[in-house]
Amino acid sequence: KAGVTQTPRYLIKTRGQQVTLSCSPISGHRSVSWYQQTPGQGLQFLFEYFSETQRNKGNFPGRFSGRQFSNSRSEMNVSTLELGDSALYLCASRRGTYTGELFFGEGSRLTVL
Amino acid sequence: DQQVKQNSPSLSVQEGRISILNCDYTNSMFDYFLWYKKYPAEGPTFLISISSIKDKNEDGRFTVFLNKSAKHLSLHIVPSQPGDSAVYFCAASYISGNTPLVFGKGTRLSVIA
Repeated sequence: KAGVTQTPRYLIKTRGQQVTLSCSPISGHRSVSWYQQTPGQGLQFLFEYFSETQRNKGNFPGRFSGRQFSNSRSEMNVSTLELGDSALYLCASRRGTYTGELFFGEGSRLTVL
Repeated sequence: DQQVKQNSPSLSVQEGRISILNCDYTNSMFDYFLWYKKYPAEGPTFLISISSIKDKNEDGRFTVFLNKSAKHLSLHIVPSQPGDSAVYFCAASYISGNTPLVFGKGTRLSVIA
């Protein structure tokens, strides 16, 4: 069974640009969550999608957005990039929205110069 | 406001000895707790979980203890092996609610041969 796939794995952008990250969940999983990991800050929740609807949203500015498609694949977008957006962005999937462990992808490492 | 706290950023243990990783939470509504392990350049992987109806859960060398009155849980690894060297994240959520997992900042475990 294929795991959670994230693309691209690494990318470099400059301040002011925008970026789109993609996530394909495990087959059959309808919930996709996004987390940001920065040194010393652990994993901070961005948002969760289930059946194309945003079910939860973390405390991030509106520059961070996401969406989910009918095949459960998800994208997140960050506009007007800032240096502080440099981080590992992790996508995770689970079968439903209630309980159950999350299965994480390997992440997309974003560097903003 | 950090709802899940891992107060030890790092821990070093001799191979064969016990590793004890600690986690405290502030939200008394949390009733489902998980531990994840993360190697560099990989996404976190699920290790073990416990619901609030239990105070202990074992899986091989890994045991999680939950003290609800103290809002404290711990992960015991016995015996510790060099391959256990990784960052360990504690996470919490409401088993009955539609809420995302809230993660601590992680503890880096180094098992010395």
